[in-house]
Amino acid sequence: GAVVSQHPSRVICKSGTSVKIECRSLDFQATTMFWYRQFPKKSLMLMATSNEGSKATYEQGVEKDKFLINHASLTLSTLTVTSAHPEDSSFYICSARPDGGGSEKLFFGSGTQLSVL
Amino acid sequence: AQTVTQSQPEMSVQEAETVTLSCTYDTSESDYYLFWYKQPPSRQMILVIRQEAYKQQNATENRFSVNFQKAAKSFSLKISDSQLGDAAMYFCAYRSADDSGYSTLTFGKGTMLLVSP
Repeated sequence: GAVVSQHPSRVICKSGTSVKIECRSLDFQATTMFWYRQFPKKSLMLMATSNEGSKATYEQGVEKDKFLINHASLTLSTLTVTSAHPEDSSFYICSARPDGGGSEKLFFGSGTQLSVL
Repeated sequence: AQTVTQSQPEMSVQEAETVTLSCTYDTSESDYYLFWYKQPPSRQMILVIRQEAYKQQNATENRFSVNFQKAAKSFSLKISDSQLGDAAMYFCAYRSADDSGYSTLTFGKGTMLLVSP
């Protein structure tokens, strides 16, 4: 099946630093990828839709200057948490939809646990 | 906007027994997809089963089956012959059939399934 690689799986950083998370589709192309945030024992909340070659679309309440998304190729999207603060600590998950019509499936990365000290 | 409701925060089942997880949704669309995802302690999202709204036949995948009631907007998951490895958080999710590539998943809040020996 299709594989989405996300790394790092865990990162600990100091307050004020920036952290980059990568999401790669290993065996398919994905014009569109999605970034989610998940708090402990809670559901996944969509943060933004990442589009190759264009600006990301952010959900209401998500700061685009805080969470920078770059979809540089058809297989790679990155999420950069800028000037991270303890309240940004969370589990971040990406997903990707294979290009080509008729695919209703989304494939998920294994997630990144961000801890900001 | 679509909403997905899972009214059971937690369910318990004994090994080899059967358990049903409930999910209801609200939409004005006639064509869409419904999914059940499993999130074990590893936090990797695993697709359990999917249903296409235009298909009346309920989807089945080995020990997993759904009861899809389109008019009632209900989509329950039945797990037969429960195993210890089934213990996880289960999320019900909705996705529009819009093939533009931008439609993502809307998740319910999740049901934690506990399996006892």
